[in-house]
Amino acid sequence: EAEVAQSPRYKITEKSQAVAFWCDPISGHATLYWYRQILGQGPELLVQFQDESVVDDSQLPKDRFSAERLKGVDSTLKIQPAELGDSAMYLCASSLRTGTDTQYFGPGTRLTVL
Amino acid sequence: AQSVTQLDSQVPVFEEAPVELRCNYSSSVSVYLFWYVQYPNQGLQLLLKYLSGSTLVKGINGFEAEFNKSQTSFHLRKPSVHISDTAEYFCAVKKGAGSYQLTFGKGTKLSVIP
Repeated sequence: EAEVAQSPRYKITEKSQAVAFWCDPISGHATLYWYRQILGQGPELLVQFQDESVVDDSQLPKDRFSAERLKGVDSTLKIQPAELGDSAMYLCASSLRTGTDTQYFGPGTRLTVL
Repeated sequence: AQSVTQLDSQVPVFEEAPVELRCNYSSSVSVYLFWYVQYPNQGLQLLLKYLSGSTLVKGINGFEAEFNKSQTSFHLRKPSVHISDTAEYFCAVKKGAGSYQLTFGKGTKLSVIP
């Protein structure tokens, strides 16, 4: 069964450093989502792509976070500089389209900022 | 905007006993409802979803949920739990057709006691 791939699975960094996460969605899925999940909370949407275009980045802290999906396939989420409050699980999900389509989640990247 | 309330943060239950995980939502429009499960250090897996039609929805691993529009609830049930059901469960809501944003509850940790 096809899965959403993410790397790395774990990342430890010091504050003020730059970090990057990678996501490869299920083949053929046009819609890609990045979520942040703080310990003890549900996931919160950071950014959504439809193909290579950003559909919604209203919750993305744009002063330090950036996301791209240049060829409409895989995607990278970057944080620069990382802050202590960025420690969380970063989840990528994909769906065929939006609307009723199920979102399939990857295993996530656990970020710890020291 | 829609919101989701999961009424119990933790639910301990003995193996082979029944369990109900409660979820209430608020929205001024019709919604789609979802339950996801998350095992430690993993991504989210869809258990079941309600889009329309029968209010009783059956999902994977023997789980089912009932949509109650008058009480704005979507409680998750299983008649007999196994040790392997120990995980965190998230209820999520999406506004009707054409919407993409999934709003999650804070999660309920189910602990199955042998």
